[in-house]
Amino acid sequence: DFQMTQSPSSLSASVGDRVTITCRASQSISTYLNWYQQKPGKAPNLLIYAASSLQSGVPLRFSGSGSGTDFTLTITSLQPEDFATYYCQQSYSTSITFGQGTRLEIK
Amino acid sequence: EVQLVESGGGLVQPGGSLRLSCAASGFTLSSYEMNWVRQAPGKGLEWVSYISSSGTIKKYADSVEGRFTISRDNAKNSLYLQMNSLRAEDTAVYYCARGLSGSYPGFWGQGTLVTVSS
Repeated sequence: DFQMTQSPSSLSASVGDRVTITCRASQSISTYLNWYQQKPGKAPNLLIYAASSLQSGVPLRFSGSGSGTDFTLTITSLQPEDFATYYCQQSYSTSITFGQGTRLEIK
Repeated sequence: EVQLVESGGGLVQPGGSLRLSCAASGFTLSSYEMNWVRQAPGKGLEWVSYISSSGTIKKYADSVEGRFTISRDNAKNSLYLQMNSLRAEDTAVYYCARGLSGSYPGFWGQGTLVTVSS
């Protein structure tokens, strides 16, 4: 099994800040890593796939990087609509697994 | 427009059964692997089950192995999840999702709520 560990679990930031969320895999997953944003009562929204590819329609302030076991999601210049929960997900195996989530709150 | 619409959720007693459906439109279902993912109230995302594009390969999370069965009918553009011996801990929003493994972007439905309670 591929265990995914996100940090931090929660994060407080202000509009205009730059934030980084990390995700670590228990073993190498190459670049098979997706990032999602989820707001209450809504389905997860894909932001980044294949570690660094921006999904169509997602603002350029979102970016992803990493390979192997260590990955990051960076949001530059936080906007009010970015306050949500973020999840990483390994897509290396057909038995996919998710990180536990990072809740991004307004400071 | 690509759409996945789940149905079949509701309230069921512990030990009962429920069958979820996911209707696909805007794409050819037979070309894609499919998954069910769930989210318990206030909790994170949990993968439940996977089925290959042809339906020949099926995988399950340990938490549902032996109780849940995934299936598909490509001719009807539909995905299913038969859930038996339901427990309180199966209470969650269940999402069907297209292609969550590999290097291509996946796609999610809006989910259907399953509540297991007496």
